[in-house]
Amino acid sequence: AQSVAQPEDQVNVAEGNPLTVKCTYSVSGNPYLFWYVQYPNRGLQFLLKYITGDNLVKGSYGFEAEFNKSQTSFHLKKPSALVSDSALYFCAAFYGNNRLAFGKGNQVVVIP
Amino acid sequence: KAGVTQTPRYLIKTRGQQVTLSCSPISGHRSVSWYQQTPGQGLQFLFEYFSETQRNKGNFPGRFSGRQFSNSRSEMNVSTLELGDSALYLCASSISGTSAGTDTQYFGPGTRLTVL
Repeated sequence: AQSVAQPEDQVNVAEGNPLTVKCTYSVSGNPYLFWYVQYPNRGLQFLLKYITGDNLVKGSYGFEAEFNKSQTSFHLKKPSALVSDSALYFCAAFYGNNRLAFGKGNQVVVIP
Repeated sequence: KAGVTQTPRYLIKTRGQQVTLSCSPISGHRSVSWYQQTPGQGLQFLFEYFSETQRNKGNFPGRFSGRQFSNSRSEMNVSTLELGDSALYLCASSISGTSAGTDTQYFGPGTRLTVL
C-alpha cells in the first residue's frame, strides 16, 4: 500500500535558522511527491513537487526539497526560517488515478 | 487567474440532515477531487471527477456522493449526517487529471462542516 510518513509531530526552529521537515514514502512504481502548506482556517497551498530529474527541487517562498531514492525520503528544507513560515506542512505521494496519499502533517513553529 | 473556490465556508447541521457543498475549480481545470480533513484521520481522499464522471472513489460510505457539471464545477453531498462527519472538506482541481500523477492539485479554502 502507498503511504507517506512524517515522523515528527512538531518542528521548532529559531528564526533565521535552517528548517527541515522530514518525509519518507512507500509507493510502488515511480514516486511523484508533493509538499503543501496549510495556514489556520485555510486550504492547502502547493509548495513544490518531484516528478523526475534533479533530486533537488526548488519551490515557492524559498523552500526546496531533496529527493533521495535510496532512503525513500523527500525532506523539505529552507535555509533561513521566518516567523511567517509557522504553519502545518504536508507531504503527499501520488498513488494512482489522480489520488494523493498524505502524511499526518508537521506543525512548524518558528520562534522569533 | 482565480483560485479554487468553495461555498459555503462554514456549515452547522444536526445529525440526520443532509448537506451539499460546492466547488468551482480553476478556470480550464477539468479534474476535481474531494478530501476530508479531520484531526484524527488526517487528509483522506473521497472521490474524483473528470468530464462529469466519477473516476475514483475512496473508502467512504455511500452517504457520501458527488457530481460534476459540464462547466467542471462540482458538488458533494452527505446524507444522514453523523457526528463523525464533522470535518474540513477540501476540494482540489487539476488541469487535466491525467492518471500519470504529474499534474499539481490546487486546493480551495475548504468548507468547515460541524454536525451537532
